[in-house]
Amino acid sequence: KNEVEQSPQNLTAQEGEFITINCSYSVGISALHWLQQHPGGGIVSLFMLSSGKKKHGRLIATINIQEKHSSLHITASHPRDSAVYICAVNLRDDKIIFGKGTRLHILP
Amino acid sequence: DTGVSQDPRHKITKRGQNVTFRCDPISEHNRLYWYRQTLGQGPEFLTYFQNEAQLEKSRLLSDRFSAERPKGSFSTLEIQRTEQGDSAMYLCASSPRRGQGLNNAYEQYFGPGTRLTVT
Repeated sequence: KNEVEQSPQNLTAQEGEFITINCSYSVGISALHWLQQHPGGGIVSLFMLSSGKKKHGRLIATINIQEKHSSLHITASHPRDSAVYICAVNLRDDKIIFGKGTRLHILP
Repeated sequence: DTGVSQDPRHKITKRGQNVTFRCDPISEHNRLYWYRQTLGQGPEFLTYFQNEAQLEKSRLLSDRFSAERPKGSFSTLEIQRTEQGDSAMYLCASSPRRGQGLNNAYEQYFGPGTRLTVT
């Protein structure tokens, strides 16, 4: 079993829909990251959080430390949001473990 | 552009050849990470540096792999006697490290990656 599990693996939705991507982890962490990767490989950090909730534009990330679970939400989704979204956790020894990613495709 | 840069962006090599990749981190960042990503998978940790010190190497990093960061600035990752299984995207990231203790997490800034194809 992977230490970081994401669901769903693939998600196709219509433009405008509210999107939720989930991440569960089984190890002790100091922080959790949500990353976005576009075709071609470039990775952009969206959020780093260790408690509560963060919001940036149409993106919202939440984390529940007790339940070892985080969600990434996208409101009013747009085709340009199509990408792979990766959850990654900072272990307490500073290593980072990544989930396999969720491939999101927003249809116009 | 003061982001993380990697060179080359693409490398095609024949099995058995040696290859070397370079990563230039954001200048004030003292942490530098190397990751490998194969198709359809998330990145996997390979190794990381705090300044010039290599703090940890993954068991994924066989003896054919070596990484250096001699002056605590740029880093190189060398793969000797490449195998077809080494074909992957090699990603570099850098971060500032703030303070000590458990709550010292920090944001990582990724380079564009070097895509290696071993034929």
